[in-house]
Amino acid sequence: DSGVTQTPKHLITATGQRVTLRCSPRSGDLSVYWYQQSLDQGLQFLIQYYNGEERAKGNILERFSAQQFPDLHSELNLSSLELGDSALYFCASSGTGRARNTNEQFFGPGTRLTVL
Amino acid sequence: EDQVTQSPEALRLQEGESSSLNCSYTVSGLRGLFWYRQDPGKGPEFLFTLYSAGEEKEKERLKATLTKKESFLHITAPKPEDSATYLCAVVNTGGFKTIFGAGTRLFVKA
Repeated sequence: DSGVTQTPKHLITATGQRVTLRCSPRSGDLSVYWYQQSLDQGLQFLIQYYNGEERAKGNILERFSAQQFPDLHSELNLSSLELGDSALYFCASSGTGRARNTNEQFFGPGTRLTVL
Repeated sequence: EDQVTQSPEALRLQEGESSSLNCSYTVSGLRGLFWYRQDPGKGPEFLFTLYSAGEEKEKERLKATLTKKESFLHITAPKPEDSATYLCAVVNTGGFKTIFGAGTRLFVKA
């Protein structure tokens, strides 16, 4: 158990709909990362937040957005869903205090999104 | 463009048959290189961080090494429970994006 929690575990919805995925980082971790993993794309970095502010952006679609709240939990919002958005969505968190400011990421169990 | 390439895509070993997985990277300044293990349907599990060429880390049957262009994950006398996908990732000094390779699927047969 990494200490990172994600809800829900599974989500089934229809095209055009909007969903919200939730992530609670490990206690004390300030950074949250979101990833998408599909069979043909591997693990794709979407976005990172650090202490409430956006720090890095990857291949995140404009239909997707995220935020990190004052209590450090994060939400990933996916809208106008398409069949191709079906994937596993992972959240990861990392802490601070490492000398080179490069922190190992600890992953949650993921949310499996199915768009029908 | 920063890039991570892992080889082979899949590797089948007999129990006890040692081997190595490769991670080649191109990055505009390496902040860190990471190895993860992922079991089917689960989140990646952190294994190692390497920061500079020449660095080595060990954990049980696994040993990770780093050069300026690639990293190796050596598996000594693997067991069936080592079967998993092994992922390599890098973070560059210019930003904080994490770039993952496609992974190597390892199968260890008893």
